[in-house]
Amino acid sequence: SQKIEQNSEALNIQEGKTATLTCNYTNYSPAYLQWYRQDPGRGPVFLLLIRENEKEKRKERLKVTFDTTLKQSLFHITASQPADSATYLCALEGNGQNFVFGPGTRLSVLP
Amino acid sequence: GAGVSQSPRYKVAKRGQDVALRCDPISGHVSLFWYQQALGQGPEFLTYFQNEAQLDKSGLPSDRFFAERPEGSVSTLKIQRTQQEDSAVYLCASSLGGAYEKLFFGSGTQLSVL
Repeated sequence: SQKIEQNSEALNIQEGKTATLTCNYTNYSPAYLQWYRQDPGRGPVFLLLIRENEKEKRKERLKVTFDTTLKQSLFHITASQPADSATYLCALEGNGQNFVFGPGTRLSVLP
Repeated sequence: GAGVSQSPRYKVAKRGQDVALRCDPISGHVSLFWYQQALGQGPEFLTYFQNEAQLDKSGLPSDRFFAERPEGSVSTLKIQRTQQEDSAVYLCASSLGGAYEKLFFGSGTQLSVL
């Protein structure tokens, strides 16, 4: 069956460290994958998109990798700050034209 | 407005009541999506429109759920005879509609069925 998993439900790290979040998928063949940030009581906000022919994408302190062989994407936040605390969701194209989301990882950056 | 607008922000319904949730997408956005998000979970796909055409409704959990977008802009998600298990946040998202497009989400409607 088709499945998207994100490494852990919650991740606590110290301010200044690098946070690494994992997204694994099964029985999908996405042409691209997206990462979103969601704060409590708000809708998800788009962060980055990476295509299947791209190994890595960067935006400021964010870095995303996409390994179609491992069926995995890694999302890194370097020099993390308490303001980075949020839930991070990966999303990929499902069957048809919809987007399928993972369950999310709740990141807490401790001062 | 500049973003996706959803109303009401909160809705409390008695079991068996019908509800209607509204979504105003970003002007000019071709694609519109509805998602259901349970507490602590990721958004679950419900349905997708391209302009006024509903191209995918495979995620609607039952025939009590109905969505429309008659003029290709505003969309309404209707839930008939609400049940307690319908309690969730209902998110609407829109995109320009091309390939590799990012989604712009509203803040959602939190539905509580008592």
